Amino acid sequence: DVKVTQSSRYLVKRTGEKVFLECVQDMDHENMFWYRQDPGLGLRLIYFSYDVKMKEKGDIPEGYSVSREKKERFSLILESASTNQTSMYLCASSSTGPSSYNEQFFGPGTRLTVL
Amino acid sequence: GIQVEQSPPDLILQEGANSTLRCNFSDSVNNLQWFHQNPWGQLINLFYIPSGTKQNGRLSATTVATERYSLLYISSSQTTDSGVYFCAVGNTGANSKLTFGKGITLSVRP
Repeated sequence: DVKVTQSSRYLVKRTGEKVFLECVQDMDHENMFWYRQDPGLGLRLIYFSYDVKMKEKGDIPEGYSVSREKKERFSLILESASTNQTSMYLCASSSTGPSSYNEQFFGPGTRLTVL
Repeated sequence: GIQVEQSPPDLILQEGANSTLRCNFSDSVNNLQWFHQNPWGQLINLFYIPSGTKQNGRLSATTVATERYSLLYISSSQTTDSGVYFCAVGNTGANSKLTFGKGITLSVRP
C-alpha cells in the first residue's frame, strides 16, 4: 500500500515562529504536494514538486516555502507563522506516468494552530 | 484555472437510502478522483475515474468526460458513510496538480 506520513497530527506554535512540516512517502513517487484545507474553501494547493530540488508555486504560495532534498521527503516551511496560517495541512504524492499512475495519495494531515 | 462545482453542498440521508453526488468541471481533464474525508481528516481514495464507470462494493462512479461531469453513487447508505466527499480534477504528467471542489457533506442518520 502507498503510505504518506506527516511528522505531526497536531501542532501549536506562536506568531513569528519558524515552522517545519515534514512529509515522507514510501512509493518512490516523483510528485509531491502541499495543500491547506479551510472550512468552506476546500483544499487549496500551496506548492508542489515534480522532482528533487524542483518546486512550483500552487494557488496560495504566499507566506510559505518548501524544500525537497530527497525524493521521498517534502517539507513545508512557514518562515514567520501568522494566525491566518492556522489550518489543516495535507501532503500528497503521485507518480509521473501513464494514466492511473497519476493518482494522488494523501497523508493524515497536520492541524496547525498559530497563537 | 479549472473550476470544480459539487452538488448538493449538504445531504442528509436515512440509513439504507441511496444517493447521487455530482461533480461538474469547466475544462477537459484526464485525471479525476473522488475522495472521502473521515472525521479525523484523512482523505480516503474512493475512485480514480477520468472516464467510464467503476464499482467498489456499495459505491460506484461514472465520469462523462465529454460533458464534463462525474457522479458518485452510494447505495444502501450506512452511518459510516458520513463525512465529506471531494471531487478533484487535473491533468496527468509532470504538472499533475489537482483542483478540488468544495466538497459535499453527507450525514447518514440511523
